[in-house]
Amino acid sequence: EVQLLESGGGLVPPGESLRLSCAASGFSFSSYAMSWVRQAPGKGLEWVSALSGSAYARYFADSVKGRFTISRDNSKNTLYLQMSSLRAEDTAVYYCVKSETGDPPGYFDSWGQGTLVTVSS
Amino acid sequence: EIVMTQSPATLSVSPGERATLSCRASQSVSSKLAWYQQKPGQAPRLLIYDASTRATGIPDRISGSGSGTEFTLTISSLQSEDFAVYYCQQYKIWPPWTFGHGTKVEIK
Repeated sequence: EVQLLESGGGLVPPGESLRLSCAASGFSFSSYAMSWVRQAPGKGLEWVSALSGSAYARYFADSVKGRFTISRDNSKNTLYLQMSSLRAEDTAVYYCVKSETGDPPGYFDSWGQGTLVTVSS
Repeated sequence: EIVMTQSPATLSVSPGERATLSCRASQSVSSKLAWYQQKPGQAPRLLIYDASTRATGIPDRISGSGSGTEFTLTISSLQSEDFAVYYCQQYKIWPPWTFGHGTKVEIK
């Protein structure tokens, strides 16, 4: 069974940084692209960033480009999202999601339960 | 960027009735279209991919159709567990991978 467990969320002041982690199990982690998708309170889904299984190809939404970095440690089956220069509009639940292919990501066949990031002073 | 437009925003349906949800892409996405279901306080769940293929464990009362720019998700006989928000997502032209704003299916 695929399991994705996010951690690292919390309350952070504007302009600060935060790193999210996603521990994966139940599948061959390095074979699949992984993404972060976020959902602001009461809003819809927004794709944020994706990383190929080999970690060769990285993709970012314009809204986070230059501020967020995605990485993975295939030896630890863990995906990361390093977020810097955080803004109030980054407040959301961040979901770790698995794609059905190694690269590029396509649809998202497994989702974690999410971790809440709140950017506020 | 491909814009995905879902309609209606809210659909009121009685249990046992059919629900038809629409999703339109701003340009052709071929059949690279997925549907997700999200219940309150839960993560989204994949229902349909490649426009019409049901994901593992999805009952056959849920079906998807369409190609190009027009897509439909149909729930043939609504059960209590089907009342939720539904999102479509394209994966033809990226980045970004884009979602619609969702259709909420509520009890009439």
